[in-house]
Amino acid sequence: AQTVTQSQPEMSVQEAETVTLSCTYDTSESNYYLFWYKQPPSRQMILVIRQEAYKQQNATENRFSVNFQKAAKSFSLKISDSQLGDTAMYFCAFMKHQTGANNLFFGTGTRLTVIP
Amino acid sequence: EAEVAQSPRYKITEKSQAVAFWCDPISGHATLYWYRQILGQGPELLVQFQDESVVDDSQLPKDRFSAERLKGVDSTLKIQPAELGDSAMYLCASSHQYGIPGELFFGEGSRLTVL
Repeated sequence: AQTVTQSQPEMSVQEAETVTLSCTYDTSESNYYLFWYKQPPSRQMILVIRQEAYKQQNATENRFSVNFQKAAKSFSLKISDSQLGDTAMYFCAFMKHQTGANNLFFGTGTRLTVIP
Repeated sequence: EAEVAQSPRYKITEKSQAVAFWCDPISGHATLYWYRQILGQGPELLVQFQDESVVDDSQLPKDRFSAERLKGVDSTLKIQPAELGDSAMYLCASSHQYGIPGELFFGEGSRLTVL
């Protein structure tokens, strides 16, 4: 079974500063995907960034980047130059690498508040 | 921009009553998911459809929950009878068969309160 742990229920950051959200996971799979999803208040959840486990290079998407440590089963999200629109719940998610079933296992989330 | 449509946005019901949620995925998305998100937790998959066929319903409480996607387009999730513990956000999502693996497009959800 897969488990995803987010140990920071809430975090805050000053606008324009950098913040890192933590995520650890447990799996016996060797090939899988990891994701960060963002759920703004009263808005739909959207994909922020994804990482394929077989790739050593950390994924980046504009101001968002990850630190993927496969041996440690750690997958943190760094948000640079934080903006007010980054205020949201952030969910770390895991998915096995298999055809057909895109079942995501989510962590419990981290509520991020960007302070003006 | 195409979005996943869900209704109703909010539903308050008494326990033992029946409740239904509707979802219309993004056009062309063959895969449809229903997730349940209890307050303070992450979403958990209830059921996954590929076209009109169920791919995974292992976590669906089948004694009271049912889901259908008869024509392989929109879907309905039903709870009968509702229990207090069913209070949650019910999220529908869809994905393209040949899209980015794991990239799900979510609706805004249907928030259920059972009294």
